Amino acid sequence: NAGVTQTPKFQVLKTGQSMTLQCAQDMNHEYMSWYRQDPGMGLRLIHYSVGAGITDQGEVPNGYNVSRSTTEDFPLRLLSAAPSQTSVYFCASRQGDREQYFGPGTRLTVT
Amino acid sequence: QQQVKQSPQSLIVQKGGISIINCAYENTAFDYFPWYQQFPGKGPALLIAIRPDVSEKKEGRFTISFNKSAKQFSLHIMDSQPGDSATYFCAASTGNTPLVFGKGTRLSVIA
Repeated sequence: NAGVTQTPKFQVLKTGQSMTLQCAQDMNHEYMSWYRQDPGMGLRLIHYSVGAGITDQGEVPNGYNVSRSTTEDFPLRLLSAAPSQTSVYFCASRQGDREQYFGPGTRLTVT
Repeated sequence: QQQVKQSPQSLIVQKGGISIINCAYENTAFDYFPWYQQFPGKGPALLIAIRPDVSEKKEGRFTISFNKSAKQFSLHIMDSQPGDSATYFCAASTGNTPLVFGKGTRLSVIA
C-alpha cells in the first residue's frame, strides 16, 4: 500500500492564481481531511469528508474548495491564491475512529 | 476557541532524561486522545493513543497518562534519545469527528 499520497511536493504561485492540491489514499478509508500547518499554529483543519459525496468545513475553510467524487481522492482547490495561504498542507485519512494517516505534505508559497 | 491546549511550546532535555508534554481539553465528549510525532519535512505519524477508560498506556519508552477529572493528558518519554528530537502534537476527537490538534511541542534531546 502506498498509504496517503500528495502531489505536488512543492509549489510556488503568484497571487490570484488557482491550483489544485491532489490527495489520494489506497486504504479504502471513508474519512479524509485537509490540514494546514503554520509555525506556532499547529495543524488546523480546512475541510473534511466522511465519505464520497459528503464534505464539510473545518476551522479555516475560506479560500479553499473540496470535492469527494470517489473514496480514494480528495483534492483541495485554491480559488485565488493569497500570500496568507503560504503554508504546508497535509492530507489525512482514517477509517472510523481509528488511526489517522497523514500524507507527506505539499509546501506552498504564494508570492 | 482552542479546544486542546498543549504545553510547553519547546523543550530541551538531556539524553537519558524524561521528556514530559502536557495537554488539556475542554470538551468532555472527547473519547480518543492520540499523540503524533513529526520529523522535519515529513507528515505527522501516530505515536501512541489512549481512550478514557484507562488512566495510563505504555508502549516502549512512551507513556500516556490520562486524568479524566482534570481533563488533562500527558506524554512521557523515558530515557530520551537524540533520535526523539521532533515536534509532538496531542489531539482529541469524539466518534467520527475530526481530530483537533494542539499547537505542538518542539523537543530537542541533547547529548
